[in-house]
Amino acid sequence: QVQLVQSGAEVKNPGSSVKVSCKASGGTFSSYTISWVRQAPGQGLEWVGRIIPIAARANYAQKFQGRVTITADISTTTAYMELSSLTSEDTAVYYCARCIATPTGGGNWFDPWGQGTLVTVSS
Amino acid sequence: EIVLTQSPGTLSLSPGERATLSCRASQSVSSYLAWYQQKPGQAPRLLIYGASNRATGIPDRFSGSGSGTDFTLTISGLEPEDFAVYYCQQYGGSPETFGQGTKVEIK
Repeated sequence: QVQLVQSGAEVKNPGSSVKVSCKASGGTFSSYTISWVRQAPGQGLEWVGRIIPIAARANYAQKFQGRVTITADISTTTAYMELSSLTSEDTAVYYCARCIATPTGGGNWFDPWGQGTLVTVSS
Repeated sequence: EIVLTQSPGTLSLSPGERATLSCRASQSVSSYLAWYQQKPGQAPRLLIYGASNRATGIPDRFSGSGSGTDFTLTISGLEPEDFAVYYCQQYGGSPETFGQGTKVEIK
């Protein structure tokens, strides 16, 4: 059974960067895809990007292009999301989640999810 | 990007009642739709994928239906632990997108 455990809460100054980790256990890390989804306070869910660890290939939501970098370390079964040029609008809980795809086509649904990491951007 | 609109925003019901939640897509997503439950301070939990397939361990009081642009999540008899926010998510188009959520609250 796959479990995802994320790093702890962060407080960052505007203009800085944050790097959040997501350690996977169970299953075969190199065989699945990890996505990052964020949730601003009191708001809905927003997909940020994903990575296929075995291919070291990531793709990102257009909104975050140029500002987000998602990486993975197969040796430690850990995925990372780094977001730069932070503003107060980046204050949110960031979740990692395993992507599951149907063999008949379409994209991914997400299961399971990490517990979330609160990133607060404030001066 | 495909926009998902959930209705109603809030559903006020009593335990034991039936809950019917709607999710409408701005264009067809075939059956590529999932539903999640989120309780305060917790991560979302997968309930339904492929519009109507229950995830592992999900009670059979939860059921999903629909295809194309109109989808429904039904909870046949609300248990106290079912009061939460529910999100739909489409994966028929890129990027994956979520609805804004429906809160099911105790009446």
